[in-house]
Amino acid sequence: GDSVTQMEGPVTLSEEAFLTINCTYTATGYPSLFWYVQYPGEGLQLLLKATKADDKGSNKGFEATYRKETTSFHLEKGSVQVSDSAVYFCALSPYQGGSEKLVFGKGTKLTVNP
Amino acid sequence: DSGVTQTPKHLITATGQRVTLRCSPRSGDLSVYWYQQSLDQGLQFLIQYYNGEERAKGNILERFSAQQFPDLHSELNLSSLELGDSALYFCASSATGLTETQYFGPGTRLLVL
Repeated sequence: GDSVTQMEGPVTLSEEAFLTINCTYTATGYPSLFWYVQYPGEGLQLLLKATKADDKGSNKGFEATYRKETTSFHLEKGSVQVSDSAVYFCALSPYQGGSEKLVFGKGTKLTVNP
Repeated sequence: DSGVTQTPKHLITATGQRVTLRCSPRSGDLSVYWYQQSLDQGLQFLIQYYNGEERAKGNILERFSAQQFPDLHSELNLSSLELGDSALYFCASSATGLTETQYFGPGTRLLVL
Protein backbone atom coordinates (compact mmCIF):
# COMPACT_ATOMS: atom_id res chain seq x y z
CA GLY A 1 0.00 0.00 0.00
CA ASP A 2 0.88 3.65 -0.11
CA SER A 3 3.36 4.88 2.47
CA VAL A 4 5.41 7.90 3.50
CA THR A 5 8.82 7.81 5.16
CA GLN A 6 10.31 10.90 6.71
CA MET A 7 13.52 11.46 8.60
CA GLU A 8 13.55 10.57 12.25
CA GLY A 9 13.71 13.43 14.66
CA PRO A 10 14.07 15.30 16.75
CA VAL A 11 15.91 18.01 14.86
CA THR A 12 17.46 20.86 16.82
CA LEU A 13 18.74 23.96 15.06
CA SER A 14 19.87 27.44 15.93
CA GLU A 15 17.92 30.42 14.67
CA GLU A 16 18.75 31.35 11.05
CA ALA A 17 20.08 27.86 10.27
CA PHE A 18 19.11 26.00 7.09
CA LEU A 19 16.47 23.32 7.45
CA THR A 20 15.95 20.15 5.45
CA ILE A 21 13.49 17.44 6.44
CA ASN A 22 13.61 14.46 4.09
CA CYS A 23 10.47 12.74 2.87
CA THR A 24 10.11 9.86 0.43
CA TYR A 25 6.96 8.09 -0.62
CA THR A 26 5.69 4.88 -2.14
CA ALA A 27 2.49 5.06 -4.16
CA THR A 28 0.85 3.65 -7.23
CA GLY A 29 -0.42 6.17 -9.71
CA TYR A 30 0.06 9.89 -9.31
CA PRO A 31 -0.36 11.04 -5.73
CA SER A 32 -0.61 14.56 -4.39
CA LEU A 33 1.95 15.48 -1.75
CA PHE A 34 1.62 17.66 1.35
CA TRP A 35 3.49 19.05 4.31
CA TYR A 36 1.46 19.68 7.45
CA VAL A 37 2.68 21.39 10.63
CA GLN A 38 1.45 20.80 14.17
CA TYR A 39 2.22 23.42 16.80
CA PRO A 40 2.08 22.36 20.46
CA GLY A 41 -1.47 21.71 21.65
CA GLU A 42 -3.01 22.36 18.24
CA GLY A 43 -4.35 20.44 15.29
CA LEU A 44 -2.51 20.09 12.00
CA GLN A 45 -2.29 22.95 9.53
CA LEU A 46 -1.50 22.62 5.85
CA LEU A 47 1.90 24.17 5.18
CA LEU A 48 2.25 23.51 1.45
CA LYS A 49 1.29 21.06 -1.25
CA ALA A 50 2.16 19.88 -4.76
CA THR A 51 -0.19 17.98 -7.02
CA LYS A 52 2.04 16.81 -9.86
CA ALA A 53 5.65 16.03 -10.70
CA ASP A 54 8.07 18.99 -10.66
CA ASP A 55 5.54 21.22 -8.88
CA LYS A 56 7.05 23.32 -6.11
CA GLY A 57 4.93 24.12 -3.10
CA SER A 58 5.90 27.12 -0.98
CA ASN A 59 4.58 29.00 2.03
CA LYS A 60 6.05 31.10 4.86
CA GLY A 61 9.58 30.62 3.52
CA PHE A 62 9.23 26.82 3.34
CA GLU A 63 9.57 25.01 0.01
CA ALA A 64 9.27 21.46 -1.28
CA THR A 65 9.53 20.10 -4.82
CA TYR A 66 7.66 17.00 -6.04
CA ARG A 67 10.38 14.74 -7.49
CA LYS A 68 8.84 11.74 -9.20
CA GLU A 69 12.17 10.28 -10.28
CA THR A 70 13.36 10.02 -6.67
CA THR A 71 9.85 9.72 -5.13
CA SER A 72 10.74 12.54 -2.76
CA PHE A 73 9.23 15.73 -1.36
CA HIS A 74 11.87 17.20 0.94
CA LEU A 75 10.98 20.25 3.03
CA GLU A 76 13.47 23.14 3.11
CA LYS A 77 13.74 26.57 4.67
CA GLY A 78 16.68 28.86 4.29
CA SER A 79 16.57 30.53 7.70
CA VAL A 80 14.50 29.06 10.53
CA GLN A 81 13.00 31.05 13.38
CA VAL A 82 12.13 30.08 16.94
CA SER A 83 8.46 30.27 15.91
CA ASP A 84 9.03 27.40 13.44
CA SER A 85 9.43 24.97 16.34
CA ALA A 86 6.74 22.35 15.72
CA VAL A 87 6.17 18.83 14.42
CA TYR A 88 6.20 18.50 10.63
CA PHE A 89 4.32 15.76 8.79
CA CYS A 90 4.78 14.71 5.20
CA ALA A 91 1.65 13.19 3.65
CA LEU A 92 0.22 11.94 0.38
CA SER A 93 -3.20 11.55 -1.12
CA PRO A 94 -3.50 8.71 -3.63
CA TYR A 95 -5.49 10.95 -5.96
CA GLN A 96 -3.80 13.32 -8.39
CA GLY A 97 -4.94 16.78 -7.42
CA GLY A 98 -6.89 15.34 -4.53
CA SER A 99 -6.67 15.67 -0.78
CA GLU A 100 -8.59 12.59 0.38
CA LYS A 101 -7.42 9.47 2.22
CA LEU A 102 -4.25 11.14 3.45
CA VAL A 103 -1.35 8.86 4.39
CA PHE A 104 1.04 10.49 6.85
CA GLY A 105 4.66 9.99 7.79
CA LYS A 106 5.59 9.60 11.46
CA GLY A 107 6.39 13.29 11.91
CA THR A 108 9.62 15.15 12.62
CA LYS A 109 9.89 17.35 15.68
CA LEU A 110 11.84 20.55 15.06
CA THR A 111 13.18 22.72 17.86
CA VAL A 112 14.77 26.04 16.99
CA ASN A 113 16.87 27.69 19.69
CA PRO A 114 17.52 31.45 19.85
CA ASP B 1 -8.36 28.82 14.99
CA SER B 2 -9.33 26.48 12.13
CA GLY B 3 -13.07 26.81 12.69
CA VAL B 4 -13.40 23.08 13.42
CA THR B 5 -14.52 22.31 16.97
CA GLN B 6 -14.19 19.05 18.85
CA THR B 7 -15.61 17.99 22.17
CA PRO B 8 -14.60 16.93 24.70
CA LYS B 9 -10.96 18.03 24.82
CA HIS B 10 -10.01 15.21 27.17
CA LEU B 11 -11.67 11.93 28.03
CA ILE B 12 -10.61 9.33 30.57
CA THR B 13 -12.42 6.02 30.67
CA ALA B 14 -11.94 2.34 31.46
CA THR B 15 -11.37 -0.70 29.28
CA GLY B 16 -14.56 -2.18 27.88
CA GLN B 17 -16.41 1.14 27.92
CA ARG B 18 -17.93 3.11 25.04
CA VAL B 19 -17.36 6.79 24.26
CA THR B 20 -18.59 9.29 21.70
CA LEU B 21 -16.44 12.04 20.26
CA ARG B 22 -18.10 15.00 18.58
CA CYS B 23 -16.95 17.23 15.74
CA SER B 24 -18.47 20.37 14.24
CA PRO B 25 -16.99 21.23 10.84
CA ARG B 26 -16.24 24.70 9.54
CA SER B 27 -19.30 26.57 8.41
CA GLY B 28 -20.21 25.45 4.91
CA ASP B 29 -17.91 22.43 4.80
CA LEU B 30 -19.66 19.25 3.69
CA SER B 31 -16.89 16.73 4.24
CA VAL B 32 -15.64 15.46 7.61
CA TYR B 33 -12.65 13.24 8.27
CA TRP B 34 -11.54 11.39 11.39
CA TYR B 35 -7.92 10.59 12.24
CA GLN B 36 -6.20 8.77 15.10
CA GLN B 37 -2.77 9.86 16.32
CA SER B 38 -0.96 7.41 18.60
CA LEU B 39 2.66 6.98 19.58
CA ASP B 40 3.05 3.58 17.94
CA GLN B 41 0.87 3.95 14.83
CA GLY B 42 1.42 7.62 14.11
CA LEU B 43 -1.33 9.60 12.39
CA GLN B 44 -3.85 7.40 10.60
CA PHE B 45 -6.91 8.19 8.53
CA LEU B 46 -10.00 6.45 9.90
CA ILE B 47 -13.04 7.47 7.88
CA GLN B 48 -14.55 10.25 5.78
CA TYR B 49 -18.14 11.44 5.44
CA TYR B 50 -19.54 13.70 2.78
CA ASN B 51 -22.92 15.35 3.25
CA GLY B 52 -24.14 12.58 5.51
CA GLU B 53 -22.82 9.63 3.51
CA GLU B 54 -19.73 7.54 4.12
CA ARG B 55 -17.21 8.40 1.42
CA ALA B 56 -13.97 6.62 2.25
CA LYS B 57 -12.70 4.22 4.84
CA GLY B 58 -9.19 3.87 6.18
CA ASN B 59 -7.79 1.86 9.07
CA ILE B 60 -10.92 1.97 11.18
CA LEU B 61 -11.54 -0.92 13.56
CA GLU B 62 -14.89 -2.71 13.57
CA ARG B 63 -15.36 -1.56 17.18
CA PHE B 64 -15.38 2.02 15.91
CA SER B 65 -18.16 3.66 13.96
CA ALA B 66 -19.02 7.15 12.82
CA GLN B 67 -21.86 9.11 11.36
CA GLN B 68 -22.57 12.56 10.00
CA PHE B 69 -25.86 14.19 10.87
CA PRO B 70 -28.13 16.44 8.76
CA ASP B 71 -26.63 19.52 10.41
CA LEU B 72 -23.23 18.17 9.22
CA HIS B 73 -21.73 17.59 12.63
CA SER B 74 -20.14 14.18 13.06
CA GLU B 75 -19.68 11.71 15.88
CA LEU B 76 -17.10 8.98 16.27
CA ASN B 77 -18.20 6.12 18.50
CA LEU B 78 -15.56 3.91 20.09
CA SER B 79 -16.75 0.78 21.88
CA SER B 80 -15.24 -2.12 23.84
CA LEU B 81 -12.31 0.15 24.49
CA GLU B 82 -8.83 -1.29 24.91
CA LEU B 83 -5.68 0.25 26.36
CA GLY B 84 -4.30 0.58 22.85
CA ASP B 85 -7.13 2.89 21.85
CA SER B 86 -5.58 5.64 23.95
CA ALA B 87 -4.71 8.33 21.41
CA LEU B 88 -5.44 11.79 20.12
CA TYR B 89 -8.43 11.79 17.78
CA PHE B 90 -8.62 14.55 15.23
CA CYS B 91 -11.49 15.67 13.11
CA ALA B 92 -10.93 17.65 9.93
CA SER B 93 -13.29 19.23 7.44
CA SER B 94 -13.16 20.48 3.87
CA ALA B 95 -15.59 22.08 1.48
CA THR B 96 -16.33 19.09 -0.72
CA GLY B 97 -13.52 16.64 -0.04
CA LEU B 98 -12.01 16.41 -3.48
CA THR B 99 -9.20 18.90 -3.84
CA GLU B 100 -9.63 21.37 -1.03
CA THR B 101 -7.48 21.79 2.02
CA GLN B 102 -8.50 19.87 5.10
CA TYR B 103 -8.83 22.00 8.24
CA PHE B 104 -8.09 20.17 11.47
CA GLY B 105 -9.68 20.59 14.85
CA PRO B 106 -7.65 20.68 18.10
CA GLY B 107 -8.35 17.01 18.83
CA THR B 108 -9.81 14.93 21.64
CA ARG B 109 -7.29 13.16 23.86
CA LEU B 110 -8.61 9.77 24.96
CA LEU B 111 -7.02 7.86 27.79
CA VAL B 112 -8.19 4.32 28.43
CA LEU B 113 -7.21 2.94 31.84
